Amino acid sequence: ETGVTQTPRHLVMGMTNKKSLKCEQHLGHNAMYWYKQSAKKPLELMFVYSLEERVENNSVPSRFSPECPNSSHLFLHLHTLQPEDSALYLCASSQVTVNEQFFGPGTRLTVL
Amino acid sequence: GDSVTQMEGPVTLSEEAFLTINCTYTATGYPSLFWYVQYPGEGLQLLLKATKADDKGSNKGFEATYRKETTSFHLEKGSVQVSDSAVYFCALRDTGTASKLTFGTGTRLQVTL
Repeated sequence: ETGVTQTPRHLVMGMTNKKSLKCEQHLGHNAMYWYKQSAKKPLELMFVYSLEERVENNSVPSRFSPECPNSSHLFLHLHTLQPEDSALYLCASSQVTVNEQFFGPGTRLTVL
Repeated sequence: GDSVTQMEGPVTLSEEAFLTINCTYTATGYPSLFWYVQYPGEGLQLLLKATKADDKGSNKGFEATYRKETTSFHLEKGSVQVSDSAVYFCALRDTGTASKLTFGTGTRLQVTL
């Protein structure tokens, strides 16, 4: 595997389900990010982890819970989501001191 | 706060036409500017970047010049191809904001034969 991978690529869940999104980066980076991409809206930065510590949480509802067990892995735990949470969730990674972020292909989430 | 404004799409062009996608920004410091591209079913890929005023970023025939006086970073290509069909995102990273990127809403480009 190379670059940034995300699993699953597609997820359909009910509002009472609990699921997790997984991201793995194979680039030796030390910062990881979760973004939400909704139609006709700018990418929304959700969480930033730098050196495995959460350094940013942009007022994301508590039904989204991130976890970064090491510098290569990032999870987004989901529970009791709402239909408006349906979106493409993108993971990215970078070196903290470098501008460029590398993105994964995303998980297309549909909440019924 | 920081913001990025892009022209609304979709932009539909014939192959070999000239492309311009406008991007303007608002930032408090001296930002770095980026264009990312998203092909169908994929994540975002960095297309080009510029880190200071008057820099020109270029890649795959695309160019953009960092214009501080007009706070703009317009994307151009002299002759588009069908394979350039994608969504293009303008973004900035302001000074003092670690690795946070602020994105525009994206502009969909459709190139036809």
